Amino acid sequence: AQKVTQAQTEISVVEKEDVTLDCVYETRDTTYYLFWYKQPPSGELVFLIRRNSFDEQNEISGRYSWNFQKSTSSFNFTITASQVVDSAVYFCALSEETSGSRLTFGEGTQLTVNP
Amino acid sequence: NAGVTQTPKFQVLKTGQSMTLQCAQDMNHEYMSWYRQDPGMGLRLIHYSVGAGITDQGEVPNGYNVSRSTTEDFPLRLLSAAPSQTSVYFCASSTGGQPYGYTFGSGTRLTVV
Repeated sequence: AQKVTQAQTEISVVEKEDVTLDCVYETRDTTYYLFWYKQPPSGELVFLIRRNSFDEQNEISGRYSWNFQKSTSSFNFTITASQVVDSAVYFCALSEETSGSRLTFGEGTQLTVNP
Repeated sequence: NAGVTQTPKFQVLKTGQSMTLQCAQDMNHEYMSWYRQDPGMGLRLIHYSVGAGITDQGEVPNGYNVSRSTTEDFPLRLLSAAPSQTSVYFCASSTGGQPYGYTFGSGTRLTVV
């Protein structure tokens, strides 16, 4: 069975600090996909990134970067020089190839960036 | 291109009432699914569909029915609402094969009193 754990329930930082959100996953499939979503206070879910299990390259997009390590089953998300607009709930999610369209979400991490 | 449209955005029901949450997508996606979001629990899968005429249960299906008569629509029915069904409901769609990304609707906030 697939499982995603986001151990950090809440994180509070001061603007311009770097912050890393942790995500640990469990799966028996060799082919799977990992996702990060952002949920701002307005409530919608915003897609941030998708990574497949065969691509362990780290990715950087502006102030966002992701570190995928199969050896530790982790897919961590770092925000560099955080801003108040980064305040949101962030979800990590997993989809196994054999599970079709089913996403399994972690519990989410509430990030608050204070000015 | 509207993406995934959910209606209504807000709803208050009395215990025992029934209602249907609507979900429509205009991207010709094969896969559609319903999730509920509760505090501290992330999003949990209720029901999903891999194509018209095909549906299956997710993690928390009790108290909900679905059908998929067209590719575009995937309504979620609450048969007899209970306070435990107070939640935020999200509909999502994606293409078949490799899940390149899921498009979510804006959510329906349901309160059962």
